[in-house]
Amino acid sequence: NAGVTQTPKFRILKIGQSMTLQCAQDMNHNYMYWYRQDPGMGLKLIYYSVGAGITDKGEVPNGYNVSRSTTEDFPLRLELAAPSQTSVYFCASSYSTGNGNTIYFGEGSWLTVV
Amino acid sequence: EDQVTQSPEALRLQEGESSSLNCSYTVSGLRGLFWYRQDPGKGPEFLFTLYSAGEEKEKERLKATLTKKESFLHITAPKPEDSATYLCAVQADYQLIWGAGTKLIIKP
Repeated sequence: NAGVTQTPKFRILKIGQSMTLQCAQDMNHNYMYWYRQDPGMGLKLIYYSVGAGITDKGEVPNGYNVSRSTTEDFPLRLELAAPSQTSVYFCASSYSTGNGNTIYFGEGSWLTVV
Repeated sequence: EDQVTQSPEALRLQEGESSSLNCSYTVSGLRGLFWYRQDPGKGPEFLFTLYSAGEEKEKERLKATLTKKESFLHITAPKPEDSATYLCAVQADYQLIWGAGTKLIIKP
């Protein structure tokens, strides 16, 4: 029953530091996503991937990078952390992006940049 | 511009007091409208998908309905365990557009 697994759950970064949020799914989903969720705002798409080796930018990609070397893993890299990147990050996956295809979410990673 | 607006931002009800949450949307070419539930400190959990105006879906005390401009999530005789933030999202093309959510609190 693992589904989508994210690590770490919580992290505090200093301005200018870099880190990677890990994400893995065991549902053999082709599509994977990274979202950020800020208070009072809807989920914003950072990056997404339609399969191993293929990634694309979402609404808010600046300051982030991703890679997709396997179907299962989709890490999110934060370079030169800034206070504006303080947020909750959710990794998600789906079988496809066809009509009404359900997206499944991980438990979230809380990141604070100080 | 594609947009999703949820109202109210927060709703406090007594246990057993039925009500509705609203999700208004403007999108060209709706391919699906989703409702998710999010508990504090957790990721969103899928509830329903609606595809066309007039469609309804039910799950326990929840019923979702869809018109051409909005969706309602009706909660009948809610219990404290129904307390959560309810998120609405619409699918336009291949991406989802999310509302900010309605925080629902059910008092015993």
